[in-house]
Amino acid sequence: EAGVAQSPRYKIIEKRQSVAFWCNPISGHATLYWYQQILGQGPKLLIQFQNNGVVDDSQLPKDRFSAERLKGVDSTLKIQPAKLEDSAVYLCASSLMPGWARLRVQWNEQFFGPGTRLTVL
Amino acid sequence: KNEVEQSPQNLTAQEGEFITINCSYSVGISALHWLQQHPGGGIVSLFMLSSGKKKHGRLIATINIQEKHSSLHITASHPRDSAVYICAALGGSGGGADGLTFGKGTHLIIQP
Repeated sequence: EAGVAQSPRYKIIEKRQSVAFWCNPISGHATLYWYQQILGQGPKLLIQFQNNGVVDDSQLPKDRFSAERLKGVDSTLKIQPAKLEDSAVYLCASSLMPGWARLRVQWNEQFFGPGTRLTVL
Repeated sequence: KNEVEQSPQNLTAQEGEFITINCSYSVGISALHWLQQHPGGGIVSLFMLSSGKKKHGRLIATINIQEKHSSLHITASHPRDSAVYICAALGGSGGGADGLTFGKGTHLIIQP
């Protein structure tokens, strides 16, 4: 079974430029997550999709970050314009079931992609 | 204060040593993940548990719901175990509707 795919793996841009990341989740996974991981810290959830709808984007800096999952499959995360503090690894994860359909004894395991390392100069 | 706290932050040990990484959480959770992150950034799920103990090869994870504490143990450690180990709680305010609240990770180095 193919895992979560992300591209590009690395990106270097100058501040105020725009950048976009792409994620293709595991086939059939309804839930897709974007995380931001700053060096030395654990990942932080940016946005969670359920199919093509947004479940939670409370921690997404909406003045510069946007994300979409138009057909409920792959997703893009965009930063426009980028700031120095956006330098981080951006991780995409997917899970099979939505939270509300989670079974009592089967938990909603997330599968992670390799991440995109963004450096803003 | 982070809702999920890990210790130690950094750990260097010799090959063969028994390794313990601890995780404490301050919120109610439905399950807890132990994740392994290699230098390239990719994250692999090691365990997901809500009670008791799980074992996979040389890795053992335990959780005590009453004490809000979990441990990850590595027996007969090997240099290939060198990675960042992250504890993540399913639930907590940082995780969104169904996301994970992560600890900052424990950077483990096993020296030959």
